[in-house]
Amino acid sequence: SQQGEEDPQALSIQEGENATMNCSYKTSINNLQWYRQNSGRGLVHLILIRSNEREKHSGRLRVTLDTSKKSSSLLITASRAADTASYFCAPSTMNTGFQKLVFGTGTRLLVSP
Amino acid sequence: NAGVTQTPKFQVLKTGQSMTLQCAQDMNHEYMSWYRQDPGMGLRLIHYSVGAGITDQGEVPNGYNVSRSTTEDFPLRLLSAAPSQTSVYFCASSYSGLGTERAYEQYFGPGTRLTVT
Repeated sequence: SQQGEEDPQALSIQEGENATMNCSYKTSINNLQWYRQNSGRGLVHLILIRSNEREKHSGRLRVTLDTSKKSSSLLITASRAADTASYFCAPSTMNTGFQKLVFGTGTRLLVSP
Repeated sequence: NAGVTQTPKFQVLKTGQSMTLQCAQDMNHEYMSWYRQDPGMGLRLIHYSVGAGITDQGEVPNGYNVSRSTTEDFPLRLLSAAPSQTSVYFCASSYSGLGTERAYEQYFGPGTRLTVT
């Protein structure tokens, strides 16, 4: 297992703006997931991207993966106050079986009305 | 479905006391795990289980025991609480089906906030 490192640590934007957060990791991966954590709550899975994919969309979320740079980005378009949360990336080297995810410290996103 | 439930929500212990954090899931997931979340440290894996009767250690297992007698339940035992175990504990479960994206997604409980004085 390996840890992803999110950047920036904190991001403050206005409603309607786009939010971009980045994740870097150190070794080759099989897949990478993004999770959201609202204050005082458990993590919620947002999206998974496999190592053979470069871009993936889910609603207002767009995730990219650049395996040559060992990095991923999460873009939230037209942000809303409800998007205020911490966002974590979780790279995994495992194709099957239990995913031993190691989470970084996350990006804290604040979306102001 | 209730998903993943954890009890209690909050707990205060004195150093040396023992207790069990409860975790249950009703999604018939084979995999279950425990994480702790500390400020500035991210979430770290304590123990995990790939099925009833099968458990293994994660990144930070010392001071914790687990067992898995049923698919639904995965309790975490603190044997002799220490202030270093003050943290928020999350239980998670996931599906083991091969080749599907469902197999990667972990479902987290709401957490137990533990303070050891």
